Amino acid sequence: SQQGEEDPQALSIQEGENATMNCSYKTSINNLQWYRQNSGRGLVHLILIRSNEREKHSGRLRVTLDTSKKSSSLLITASRAADTASYFCAPLNSGGSNYKLTFGKGTLLTVNP
Amino acid sequence: DVKVTQSSRYLVKRTGEKVFLECVQDMDHENMFWYRQDPGLGLRLIYFSYDVKMKEKGDIPEGYSVSREKKERFSLILESASTNQTSMYLCASSLWRASYEQYFGPGTRLTVT
Repeated sequence: SQQGEEDPQALSIQEGENATMNCSYKTSINNLQWYRQNSGRGLVHLILIRSNEREKHSGRLRVTLDTSKKSSSLLITASRAADTASYFCAPLNSGGSNYKLTFGKGTLLTVNP
Repeated sequence: DVKVTQSSRYLVKRTGEKVFLECVQDMDHENMFWYRQDPGLGLRLIYFSYDVKMKEKGDIPEGYSVSREKKERFSLILESASTNQTSMYLCASSLWRASYEQYFGPGTRLTVT
């Protein structure tokens, strides 16, 4: 398994603005997943992008994947105060123990009303 | 609706006690996981199980054991709790032959005094 590394570690924006978070990883992947964690709670799966996909949308979320650069980005459009949370990327290896995800340390997003 | 439940939200135990953390999922998932989450360290995998009575060590198994006697239940055992095991413990489950997205419980915040 490998760890995704999120950047930036923290991000503070105003309500209505867009938020972009980035993720880098080290080796080839089967897919890459993004999760959200509200303060003190469990993680919630947001979106999954497969290695043969370049972009995926879900509501106000847009995820891109660049396998040549081994990176992904999560864009949240028209942010709301309720989007305040930590966001984690989790790459899934393309071989070996491919039922394990390894999470990074996350990006803490604060959306100010 | 998919559901993963953990036996306690908050738990306070004394050093040396044997501690049981229970996790139950109602989705008939093959895989179940235990993580701990600490500030600055992100989520770290302790143990996982891909079938009843099967288990594999994660990245930080020392001081922990697990039990999976039924498919829906995965228990984490701290044989002799120590203060450095004070942490947030998160349980998750996933399908074996799917996208491997993980569903998380709400977490147990364990304090060992």
